[in-house]
Amino acid sequence: AQSVTQLGSHVSVSEGALVLLRCNYSSSVPPYLFWYVQYPNQGLQLLLKYTSAATLVKGINGFEAEFKKSETSFHLTKPSAHMSDAAEYFCAVSERNNNDMRFGAGTRLTVKP
Amino acid sequence: NAGVTQTPKFQVLKTGQSMTLQCAQDMNHEYMSWYRQDPGMGLRLIHYSVGAGITDQGEVPNGYNVSRSTTEDFPLRLLSAAPSQTSVYFCASSYRARGFASEAFFGQGTRLTVV
Repeated sequence: AQSVTQLGSHVSVSEGALVLLRCNYSSSVPPYLFWYVQYPNQGLQLLLKYTSAATLVKGINGFEAEFKKSETSFHLTKPSAHMSDAAEYFCAVSERNNNDMRFGAGTRLTVKP
Repeated sequence: NAGVTQTPKFQVLKTGQSMTLQCAQDMNHEYMSWYRQDPGMGLRLIHYSVGAGITDQGEVPNGYNVSRSTTEDFPLRLLSAAPSQTSVYFCASSYRARGFASEAFFGQGTRLTVV
């Protein structure tokens, strides 16, 4: 069964600094990978997804993630943090032909002025 | 487009009470699922359905029942609420295109407290 591990339950950065949120996956078959964002008291919104086309995936709000098969990683980055990026971020994995999606424990991003 | 709609948004139950969390989607998605979100544990899959009349268990199914009589609706039933079921519950839907799974589309959540 597929699974993801998010390293770091809480990440704090200064406004304008690089954002790096880490995700490693485990899957016996080629996976689909996703990053979702959750703002307080809201549902989850898709940031970006990897579906085996380009390994560097660009998403909304300036975020991007790179699929690295050799490292089984799918880390999320943003060159310059904004106060509005403060939220909880979830990495998720599914199999290509199976809609069963599994989530990591989440990383809370704090952005300091 | 309403997307995925969950009701109620908030609910307080007493231990032993039963209730149904409603979920409806208007996107004609065949796949629907229920997750619970607890601090430090991310989202855990409770039950899912691959189409009307078909349901199956996820990671944490105990204490919950589901049914899927239509494509649009996927209610989650708590048979006898326990404090351990205090959580935020999310319903999601997705589809398959050319055999490949889409991303999940989420409702706004139901915050349930069992006292």
